[in-house]
Amino acid sequence: GENVEQHPSTLSVQEGDSAVIKCTYSDSASNYFPWYKQELGKGPQLIIDIRSNVGEKKDQRIAVTLNKTAKHFSLHITETQPEDSAVYFCAATDQTGANNLFFGTGTRLTVIP
Amino acid sequence: NAGVTQTPKFQVLKTGQSMTLQCAQDMNHNSMYWYRQDPGMGLRLIYYSASEGTTDKGEVPNGYNVSRLNKREFSLRLESAAPSQTSVYFCASSSGRANYGYTFGSGTRLTVV
Repeated sequence: GENVEQHPSTLSVQEGDSAVIKCTYSDSASNYFPWYKQELGKGPQLIIDIRSNVGEKKDQRIAVTLNKTAKHFSLHITETQPEDSAVYFCAATDQTGANNLFFGTGTRLTVIP
Repeated sequence: NAGVTQTPKFQVLKTGQSMTLQCAQDMNHNSMYWYRQDPGMGLRLIYYSASEGTTDKGEVPNGYNVSRLNKREFSLRLESAAPSQTSVYFCASSSGRANYGYTFGSGTRLTVV
């Protein structure tokens, strides 16, 4: 199955700075890459996703980039705010067509006021 | 509120006891999933149901069984709980179409002593 690696495992930034989280995947057939945000005591929530036919997608302060040749994708958060503090997960689909998602191990982001 | 509802939120079991985790969605989604979340290991797929009437094993199915009771409900059963099954369990659903994100429930924190 798909193997997704995520770095770093923890990230601390000052409020207003940018944060970048990187993921790699193993299955070259993967074509969907969502990012989830998990706040304490809650389930993961989809914040942005990208499909393999585009290289970049932006939604206000968050953006995702995809490099299919290198098999890696990244989440960029600009002008970070304390409410951005959470655990972020990247994910990728497998090749079976069942729409199963395989997740990275998560990044705990702390935004320091 | 539309979404995925999981019960119970917390549970403590003794080794060897059995229990069923319940999940229901009201978004008319075709596909449903059960994941477990352990520290440093991200979210791992236990079982999934691509459509009503079908179920399949994921990455870590040993020790679990599932039932897709109808389109709305997907339950996870532990027949003989073991300490290794201490985890947070998340149910999710999706439309089932390729490359669409999941909606997660708020999780069940299970401790097996």
